[in-house]
Amino acid sequence: EVQLVESGGGLVQPGGSLRLSCAVSGFSIKNNYMSWVRQAPGKGLEWVSVIFTAGSTFYADSVKGRFTISRHNSENTVSLQMNSLRPEDTAVYYCARDQSRYFDLWGRGTLVTVSS
Amino acid sequence: QSALTQPRSVSGSPGQSVTISCTGTSSDVGVYNSVSWYQQHPGKAPKLMIYDVSKRPSGVPDRFSGSKSGNTASLTISGLQAEDEADYYCCSYAGSAVFGGGTKLTVL
Repeated sequence: EVQLVESGGGLVQPGGSLRLSCAVSGFSIKNNYMSWVRQAPGKGLEWVSVIFTAGSTFYADSVKGRFTISRHNSENTVSLQMNSLRPEDTAVYYCARDQSRYFDLWGRGTLVTVSS
Repeated sequence: QSALTQPRSVSGSPGQSVTISCTGTSSDVGVYNSVSWYQQHPGKAPKLMIYDVSKRPSGVPDRFSGSKSGNTASLTISGLQAEDEADYYCCSYAGSAVFGGGTKLTVL
């Protein structure tokens, strides 16, 4: 069965750090692009970052320089290291399989709350 | 990239058809055929409904169809059913992905 399961969310103070993980089963991440997409409470979807099969990474301007996406092929997991967190980073973070033109598989998401 | 423009809400009665528009620019929707649509029920993850403007993934009913004209893409849902009530998001993926603001579909 294909599954993407995010973890690592929680409450963090502004300026703090958090590391999200996405455990994938049912397909190999080393053969696929993987993205993170977030959704602030009551708001729409916002693409955050992608990691390509060759390891190249790209980020939305809103997180560039603060977030780092990485891939761990042996564990079949994708991570998102989030530093210098701001209140506006508060959102549910989804891991998604990225087909370079669309996102065909999504996890259930993990909630990140940035607040003092 | 700026967010794509969608109507905030649309509604229809069971059995009717509704169309949700998604307006971009000549730099995204107008030039690339990488438009996709996602359905999201409250508290759930988004689900891919349409990709590459008009293609349906396996398992998505043929009541859902997509099209594009110029800088505007559209999602049409025919034969509305109660379970279609959800938020719908369009997305244009051209190097990076940009989403629309979302449309709440109410089935009356």
